[in-house]
Amino acid sequence: GESVGLHLPTLSVQEGDNSIINCAYSNSASDYFIWYKQESGKGPQFIIDIRSNMDKRQGQRVTVLLNKTVKHLSLQIAATQPGDSAVYFCAETYTGGFKTIFGAGTRLFVKA
Amino acid sequence: GAVVSQHPSRVICKSGTSVKIECRSLDFQATTMFWYRQFPKQSLMLMATSNEGSKATYEQGVEKDKFLINHASLTLSTLTVTSAHPEDSSFYICSARDLGTSVSETQYFGPGTRLLVL
Repeated sequence: GESVGLHLPTLSVQEGDNSIINCAYSNSASDYFIWYKQESGKGPQFIIDIRSNMDKRQGQRVTVLLNKTVKHLSLQIAATQPGDSAVYFCAETYTGGFKTIFGAGTRLFVKA
Repeated sequence: GAVVSQHPSRVICKSGTSVKIECRSLDFQATTMFWYRQFPKQSLMLMATSNEGSKATYEQGVEKDKFLINHASLTLSTLTVTSAHPEDSSFYICSARDLGTSVSETQYFGPGTRLLVL
């Protein structure tokens, strides 16, 4: 199957600092990208999305950057809070297939 | 906002039995639902796309005779794990796409079902 993951990489940050989570996607035909947050034992929660005709999009405390040249996506979280501790997944979708494929994920730990 | 529910939230069964998991869109209609499986410390792996009124589309490597999917209405899809074995123990998550939308954040995820096969 697609997006078979290894053990999750971990990012540890101090409360109040900014966090940057990176993701490499695989399909150059993907035209829509989403970041999800998943807390333990729960389903993914939508954070922010971006279409392939954009390279940056900002939300509340979050910014997504897209670099199509190197197929790289990043999520920036400003003033990280303990409640931001979770696993973060990037996901890619191509409109022709309507499937959403998840990346490997990153576990974010926020130290108080 | 739109809500997707799953039932049961967790289930323990004996090896060789079958288990049915329900995925419901509570306040919207979904022609398409997706089933994912997630092993501990791993990402979500798409198993199949469930289409209302037609056969499900399975991803490569997923046995369609073992993971039976039925999308009988615009608000309900079921996943049946037949003859379950311990290696089927996992976290099963469904998502539903809102009717009439193309690609957007309107793919809503359920809370997941934890399956443990003894």
